[in-house]
Amino acid sequence: GEDVEQSLFLSVREGDSSVINCTYTDSSSTYLYWYKQEPGAGLQLLTYIFSNMDMKQDQRLTVLLNKKDKHLSLRIADTQTGDSAIYFCAERASGYSTLTFGKGTMLLVSP
Amino acid sequence: GAVVSQHPSRVICKSGTSVKIECRSLDFQATTMFWYRQFPKQSLMLMATSNEGSKATYEQGVEKDKFLINHASLTLSTLTVTSAHPEDSSFYICSARDFGTSGRDTQYFGPGTRLTVL
Repeated sequence: GEDVEQSLFLSVREGDSSVINCTYTDSSSTYLYWYKQEPGAGLQLLTYIFSNMDMKQDQRLTVLLNKKDKHLSLRIADTQTGDSAIYFCAERASGYSTLTFGKGTMLLVSP
Repeated sequence: GAVVSQHPSRVICKSGTSVKIECRSLDFQATTMFWYRQFPKQSLMLMATSNEGSKATYEQGVEKDKFLINHASLTLSTLTVTSAHPEDSSFYICSARDFGTSGRDTQYFGPGTRLTVL
């Protein structure tokens, strides 16, 4: 079945850039998403990318997709302490409505 | 982005009672909603897919008689945990599928419901 893998933890200093990586196995993935979850809260959709795109930028967020390697990354520029959260990568395969989530990457931003 | 609400945000109940959780899409219609369960420090586990006007589709290992799902309108899905037991204590999150403009197909999540069964 589909599998989505993420590194579990990332620590950066305030003002640095953060890069969170994700790999997936389903070659029929059509949409790939990044969600943010703060403690005790639901998931907030940060951004998404179609599988026919290589890059998408939205303010401080840049998503890069390497479809050949099935690798997705989320870059957060000028990381702030408020960016500390768990970030989930998710993919949706063609013809399916359900999402497959990675286990989440905990981002810790220190002052 | 679109807004999805959940109610209640937190509930504590006695073992053996039933608890109903509501999920609403506030500014869009959702023919499909999803119910997830999340354990501490873990990812989301999809429990079921709820389609408006039809029976929910449950994932393997999820008891449909224990977790009753009703999706009676395009903006409301409910999850009822029947005869709750302490092992049902968890964080339950719903999401709603939004087909927006320009081919957008996204899921928006509710804020979650923390269920504690004593």
